[in-house]
Amino acid sequence: DTEVTQTPKHLVMGMTNKKSLKCEQHMGHRAMYWYKQKAKKPPELMFVYSYEKLSINESVPSRFSPECPNSSLLNLHLHALQPEDSALYLCASSQDLIRSPLHFGNGTRLTVT
Amino acid sequence: AQTVTQSQPEMSVQEAETVTLSCTYDTSESDYYLFWYKQPPSRQMILVIRQEAYKQQNATENRFSVNFQKAAKSFSLKISDSQLGDAAMYFCAYRRPGNQFYFGTGTSLTVIP
Repeated sequence: DTEVTQTPKHLVMGMTNKKSLKCEQHMGHRAMYWYKQKAKKPPELMFVYSYEKLSINESVPSRFSPECPNSSLLNLHLHALQPEDSALYLCASSQDLIRSPLHFGNGTRLTVT
Repeated sequence: AQTVTQSQPEMSVQEAETVTLSCTYDTSESDYYLFWYKQPPSRQMILVIRQEAYKQQNATENRFSVNFQKAAKSFSLKISDSQLGDAAMYFCAYRRPGNQFYFGTGTSLTVIP
């Protein structure tokens, strides 16, 4: 059982579409993350939220827009994506930004056509 | 910048045998945390084991143990009594307090029945 829930599991979208990825955790974790992962590669950090505030943006293109409505929810809004943005998008949370491990969701497999 | 190196892109092990996955890292810090994550085809990243740098004792979790050599900056994972369910991609990760995670490039483990 995963304690970090991501929806949808799969998403196919055209380059002109607008869609959102959702992530939810109920472990009381104060930090939440978005990672992008290509096949057989390690996850690449995109964004970090700490106490609902954006603390790290790894120079991600503006067609990706994160949002943290509350301490349990994390969204990633997608607009005008490119085919090279097709990847597995992983959400993670951690109890703090100091020493805690990451807890990952199952990911959303995104295909941009 | 911190780097994490996994020199074995692929490994294989016979079921019930023992296998060791290697990981080295580069840091000038004395306080940090190390992790091994497992990513099966189901794609969720699962925490296998963690080690605090200030602890000399090697971490153990059931069939999984680490050999942590701080001076050599080495953090290998030993899997004993390998099972078919251990087949996965394994990522080594480093975290400095208050900082992001750095992942290695991964080792793909095949378990042969």
